[in-house]
Amino acid sequence: GENVGLHLPTLSVQEGDNSIINCAYSNSASDYFIWYKQESGKGPQFIIDIRSNMDKRQGQRVTVLLNKTVKHLSLQIAATQPGDSAVYFCAENTHDTDKLIFGTGTRLQVFP
Amino acid sequence: DAGVIQSPRHEVTEMGQEVTLRCKPISGHNSLFWYRQTMMRGLELLIYFNNNVPIDDSGMPEDRFSAKMPNASFSTLKIQPSEPRDSAVYFCASSTPATSNQPQHFGDGTRLSIL
Repeated sequence: GENVGLHLPTLSVQEGDNSIINCAYSNSASDYFIWYKQESGKGPQFIIDIRSNMDKRQGQRVTVLLNKTVKHLSLQIAATQPGDSAVYFCAENTHDTDKLIFGTGTRLQVFP
Repeated sequence: DAGVIQSPRHEVTEMGQEVTLRCKPISGHNSLFWYRQTMMRGLELLIYFNNNVPIDDSGMPEDRFSAKMPNASFSTLKIQPSEPRDSAVYFCASSTPATSNQPQHFGDGTRLSIL
């Protein structure tokens, strides 16, 4: 991907540890949220989503938490693996538009 | 299942030349999006279509950029004439309508370099 610049926040974790990636969203009317993973040379890949009527959703090794009060979204990755190394983006959407608003991304680096 | 297919994967051309990027959305998806990604500006939405009709082209940078969707299975993004500042990775994504709260699925992009 192209979001590899100096301004991208980076999270470094040891293999096997849990990772938490955070995202602050801007629109209080947003009612649908998505996490994407982007590996180098590839397009953003859908990981997990959550609707605003929920505050937690779990997938395989991943959990998304939504706090609408403070407009905060987080992605938790359990037992982080080297293959999890990538840039992670949050995205928000309202039901009356097809447009997604993407965050700037966080780079996750997993070291042995 | 086939995902979103983009071609070419890489394009290198001289400034002033016409560039055409192609996208085949996932079958059954009726929304199609074109994005541009750069280090400086991140991921930007250029234009999107619903049922082959352009809905919002406010992200298209200049008149040099145009996009078409002649049918449900094909879209093009054209730059004419191209300039070095157009160098970026261009992504196509598709989805079912937003009212159903479904995610957009992305292709692997076209890396465009204008010399």
